[in-house]
Amino acid sequence: EAGVAQSPRYKIIEKRQSVAFWCNPISGHATLYWYQQILGQGPKLLIQFQNNGVVDDSQLPKDRFSAERLKGVDSTLKIQPAKLEDSAVYLCASSLISGDTQYFGPGTRLTVL
Amino acid sequence: RKEVEQDPGPFNVPEGATVAFNCTYSNSASQSFFWYRQDCRKEPKLLMSVYSSGNEDGRFTAQLNRASQYISLLIRDSKLSDSATYLCVVIRYGQNFVFGPGTRLSVLP
Repeated sequence: EAGVAQSPRYKIIEKRQSVAFWCNPISGHATLYWYQQILGQGPKLLIQFQNNGVVDDSQLPKDRFSAERLKGVDSTLKIQPAKLEDSAVYLCASSLISGDTQYFGPGTRLTVL
Repeated sequence: RKEVEQDPGPFNVPEGATVAFNCTYSNSASQSFFWYRQDCRKEPKLLMSVYSSGNEDGRFTAQLNRASQYISLLIRDSKLSDSATYLCVVIRYGQNFVFGPGTRLSVLP
């Protein structure tokens, strides 16, 4: 069974630039999550989708971050404009249903200079 | 106070040693608990769920103490391959995963 796919794996940008990350969850998983993991910390939830609807985006900095899952399958996370403190690994995860075991993708390591 | 807290370590132990990690949570409504393992520069992977009665999987034992609001992970006969960061995860019904900051373990030869 294919796992969660993410791209790119690495991205280096300058502050104030824009960046987008892509995630394709495990086939059949209705719930998709985006996390931010800063070095030395645990993953922090940014947004959760149930199919193509947003369930929880309470910790998403909406002035600069946006995410969509238009067809209820793959998803994109965008940062515009990026700040230095956005340097982190952005992890995508999916689960069959909300609250079930989450399976993570390899993550995108973002460096903002 | 953070919702989920862990001793960051690092725990440096020799091969074959027994090591235990604790995790405390602040919300008494928390209902589900997991331990995830994260290798350096890799994604988190589920290690085991934590059940009220405690559960064991080979060399790994997880326990839950609801009264004191903590969960523990015991690793017996440590292997070099156990070196990783161990993340405690807490879920409230209908809510999302809340990860602890992780405890780093280094098993030394």
